[in-house]
Amino acid sequence: EDQVTQSPEALRLQEGESSSLNCSYTVSGLRGLFWYRQDPGKGPEFLFTLYSAGEEKEKERLKATLTKKESFLHITAPKPEDSATYLCAVRGNDMRFGAGTRLTVKP
Amino acid sequence: EAGVAQSPRYKIIEKRQSVAFWCNPISGHATLYWYQQILGQGPKLLIQFQNNGVVDDSQLPKDRFSAERLKGVDSTLKIQPAKLEDSAVYLCASSPHGVGGTDTQYFGPGTRLTVL
Repeated sequence: EDQVTQSPEALRLQEGESSSLNCSYTVSGLRGLFWYRQDPGKGPEFLFTLYSAGEEKEKERLKATLTKKESFLHITAPKPEDSATYLCAVRGNDMRFGAGTRLTVKP
Repeated sequence: EAGVAQSPRYKIIEKRQSVAFWCNPISGHATLYWYQQILGQGPKLLIQFQNNGVVDDSQLPKDRFSAERLKGVDSTLKIQPAKLEDSAVYLCASSPHGVGGTDTQYFGPGTRLTVL
């Protein structure tokens, strides 16, 4: 069965303190790995799609990378407005989401 | 471009009552999804429609949940009768491409259901 595990569950950073979020997955036939951002009381907001190992995508302070077993979301010099839950999902036979990493950035 | 619309935003019901949620996807999007997100967990896919046909409903509790997408546009998700464990946020998403294609999903704001 396809599985997605995100770590850590929660992460507290000081403004400007760079870090990475991990998404480990097992899937039969990866058709895409997705990163979403979810703010409290809102639906997930699309960030990136990655399709093959070695692929990287960037958007502002965020950079997503993909290997055959995991993906990382790197956050460079985060700001308080980056505080949110970051969700990883994989598309194999169906769509599976991880439980998310709750990121808090303190000023 | 208007996003995915959902209503109501909040609903409180007693157990064993019925409830229905409505979703209007982004215009032109072929695929529509309903997810259940329990507090502290990631979204769990309940059902996927391609136009007005069901593609995947393997995780839909069919004894109490039903969904339809008439005319391949709007969709409704119904729970009858509700149980305490159905308390969750119900998210609707849509994507522009068909099954097998790239399917970046765009989510609505969700409906928060509380079952007392």
